[in-house]
Amino acid sequence: DIQMTQSPSSLSASVGDRVTITCRASQSISNYLNWYQQKPGKAPKLLIYVASSLQSGVPSRFSGSGSGTDFTLTISSLQPEDFATYYCQQSYSTPRTFGQGTKLEIK
Amino acid sequence: QVQLVQSGAEVKKPGASVKVSCKASGYTFTSYYMHWVRQAPGQGLECMGIINPSGGSTSYAQKFQGRVTMTRDTSTSTVYMELSSLRSEDTAVYYCAREYRSGYPDWGQGTLVTVSS
Repeated sequence: DIQMTQSPSSLSASVGDRVTITCRASQSISNYLNWYQQKPGKAPKLLIYVASSLQSGVPSRFSGSGSGTDFTLTISSLQPEDFATYYCQQSYSTPRTFGQGTKLEIK
Repeated sequence: QVQLVQSGAEVKKPGASVKVSCKASGYTFTSYYMHWVRQAPGQGLECMGIINPSGGSTSYAQKFQGRVTMTRDTSTSTVYMELSSLRSEDTAVYYCAREYRSGYPDWGQGTLVTVSS
């Protein structure tokens, strides 16, 4: 199975900050990398698919980049509703695997 | 609009089995793979496997091989996930999720399965 490693595991930031979360795959996954946001008690929400494509309805302050093994999710200017847990996921092979998550908290 | 509606919460004893359903609507059921993902309390997301609703073929994560069975009923646009030999570590919220353009844009509401003696 492909292992996905996110960093950091947690992050404190303020409204208006620019935030970057990284995700590394244990082998090359081309651009088959997705990002999700999850809030407590809710199903995950797809933000970015195939590394850099913005899911319909997701604000443009979210962006993704990378290919091969290294990927980033950037939030350009944090809003109060962005405080949540973020997961990366590879869709290159089965079983699909997720990173361990990054909890974004208010500073 | 796409909707995935899952069955209700379950409480099971260790060693029992549970079968969770996921009824799809708003799209052509046989055109998109369905995945099952679980999340233990306070933990991350874990993919259990995938089913192709068209032919019924499946692929399971090795961790669940031998204990999980995913099936579908095309007449009702429903997929099922059955997990057997339950243990306390299987206590989790179980989600179905539709794959589209490599990601999961659509999720069920989740089904809490509690395993307790």
